[in-house]
This record gives sequence, structure tokens and C-alpha cells, in this order.
Amino acid sequence: KQEVTQIPAALSVPEGENLVLNCSFTDSAIYNLQWFRQDPGKGLTSLLLIQSSQREQTSGRLNASLDKSSGRSTLYIAASQPGDSATYLCAVRPLISGGFKTIFGAGTRLFVKA
Amino acid sequence: DVKVTQSSRYLVKRTGEKVFLECVQDMDHENMFWYRQDPGLGLRLIYFSYDVKMKEKGDIPEGYSVSREKKERFSLILESASTNQTSMYLCASSTRTSVALGASDKNIQYFGAGTRLSVL
Repeated sequence: KQEVTQIPAALSVPEGENLVLNCSFTDSAIYNLQWFRQDPGKGLTSLLLIQSSQREQTSGRLNASLDKSSGRSTLYIAASQPGDSATYLCAVRPLISGGFKTIFGAGTRLFVKA
Repeated sequence: DVKVTQSSRYLVKRTGEKVFLECVQDMDHENMFWYRQDPGLGLRLIYFSYDVKMKEKGDIPEGYSVSREKKERFSLILESASTNQTSMYLCASSTRTSVALGASDKNIQYFGAGTRLSVL
């Protein structure tokens, strides 16, 4: 059964710092991996999606990498800002589900101090 | 602009009531999903639908049912609400999945703002 783990559960950093959020998954047979952002009491916003054949994706100050063989993904945030404070979730789509199901991690709660 | 709309942001219901949560998407997506989100447990899939009138159970379907009469609307029904169904409910939609499409099928899930349901 696919499981997704995110470490750390919470992180507090000063403004301007570069940081890395980690995601690990137990089964490498995935269709893709997606990183989401969730603000308190709100829905999820897709940040980056990496297909299983890709190694990384970039959007602005965000860079996500995927190492399928080791079951790991990282989300790198450059020059963090207070507006980056949110919960970041990692999610994988297992091939075995026919691509319909998405398995989510519990998230990393990020707080960027001004 | 992509839009998934959930009818209520906050709901308070009493134990035993029948509760309807509505979700509408304007992107002509084939797939729609209902999740619940609880602290420490992440998002868990309740039901999903890949076409009108089609539905599949997710990981925690007990106590819930769904309805998809039109492509744009996916309803979650709590037949007899219980206190352990107090949670944040999130609806999502995506394009049709096709493994054959390979890297060209991004299949991003788009989420609504969520409905926070309290059952007293």
C-alpha cells in the first residue's frame, strides 16, 4: 500500500532563507507527483507537478525534484518570504489505481518570520 | 480561470440529519473527487467519479454516498450525520486520466475552497 510521508511536520525560518521540504513515498510505481500549497482554512492550490519520467520542475522561486527509484521528492523554496507561510502537501498518483487515486502526505506547516 | 466551487464554507448540523455538500466545476472535467481532511491524517479519499452517473468508493466511503447527475456537479451526502464526520471536506476535479497519454497528460487536480462541517 502506497504511503506518503513528509518531514518535517512543521518548520519555522527567518525571511530570506532558502529551505527544503521533503517527501518520501513507499512505492515507486507512480504516475506523477504533485506539490500543493494550503493556506489556513482554505483549499489546495497546485504548485508543481512532476511526471514520473521527469526529474524536476521549476516555477519562479520553487523547484521540485523527483527521484522515483529512491521514493523521494524535495521542494526547494528560494529566498523565502512571509507570504510563503502555509502548509505544503505532497501527493502521488499510484499506477495501480489506474491513475484515479491520489495519496497525500500529512503536510509540512511552514512559517516564515519577517 | 479554473474554478471549483463548494456551496458552503461552513456548516453546522445536528446528529442524525441528512447533509448535502455540493461541488460545481466549470472546466468540463471528467473526474471529480471528495476528500476529507483531518489534523494529522492528511487528505483521505471518500468517493470519486470519472463520468456522469459513475461513482467509485475511495478509502473511507462508510457513512457517505454521492451523486453525479450532471458532469459539472458532484454531491456528497451524509445519510445520517454523526459527530465523527466533523471535518473539512474538499472537492476536486481533473481531466480524464489516460496512462497511454504518458507525459502529455498533466492531470492536475483543482480544489475547491473547502467546507468545514461541524456535527453537534
